[in-house]
Amino acid sequence: AQSVTQLGSHVSVSEGALVLLRCNYSSSVPPYLFWYVQYPNQGLQLLLKYTSAATLVKGINGFEAEFKKSETSFHLTKPSAHMSDAAEYFCAVSNTGNQFYFGTGTSLTVIP
Amino acid sequence: DAGVTQSPTHLIKTRGQQVTLRCSPKSGHDTVSWYQQALGQGPQFIFQYYEEEERQRGNFPDRFSGHQFPNYSSELNVNALLLGDSALYLCASSFAGGNYGYTFGSGTRLTVV
Repeated sequence: AQSVTQLGSHVSVSEGALVLLRCNYSSSVPPYLFWYVQYPNQGLQLLLKYTSAATLVKGINGFEAEFKKSETSFHLTKPSAHMSDAAEYFCAVSNTGNQFYFGTGTSLTVIP
Repeated sequence: DAGVTQSPTHLIKTRGQQVTLRCSPKSGHDTVSWYQQALGQGPQFIFQYYEEEERQRGNFPDRFSGHQFPNYSSELNVNALLLGDSALYLCASSFAGGNYGYTFGSGTRLTVV
């Protein structure tokens, strides 16, 4: 069975501070892992994806994530938060690339 | 280049009615997946269509059905609507599965009253 756990449903950071959003996954085989961002009243936008190449994955808007098999984690980070980063972030896992399992999301607030 | 287009954007239906939602995939994509996103939750997989056939299905009742047309566009049909079907329905397209990530549409907000 596959599942994703996102620790912290709400995260607040000051503008310019480090952003760290946590994601742990459960998968019986090497997974595909993704981070998506959702702005209010919009669909999901792909931030980055891990597909068994480099363990450190760089995405759009300065975000990156590191795949750690030993910890079954795929945490999302950004060195310096910007006001425009305020949104809902979802981690997703898939074994086959067909059915994705999403976490319940983390709402990021950026404080000026 | 148009992304994924969904229609309508908002819809209000009465319990027991039937609804059809529509999706046009991104140009070059041949696979369409549907997700249900309840308020405050992550998207839940409904099913995926490829080559006009349902390739995989999530844990949703038979009231949820779909179709894919030769031009790769897709419809999601929900019969006998329940109040609990109120959600944002997201269509996502990809090429030959979703290994490289989906492109999502902005969704259809369905409210069942």
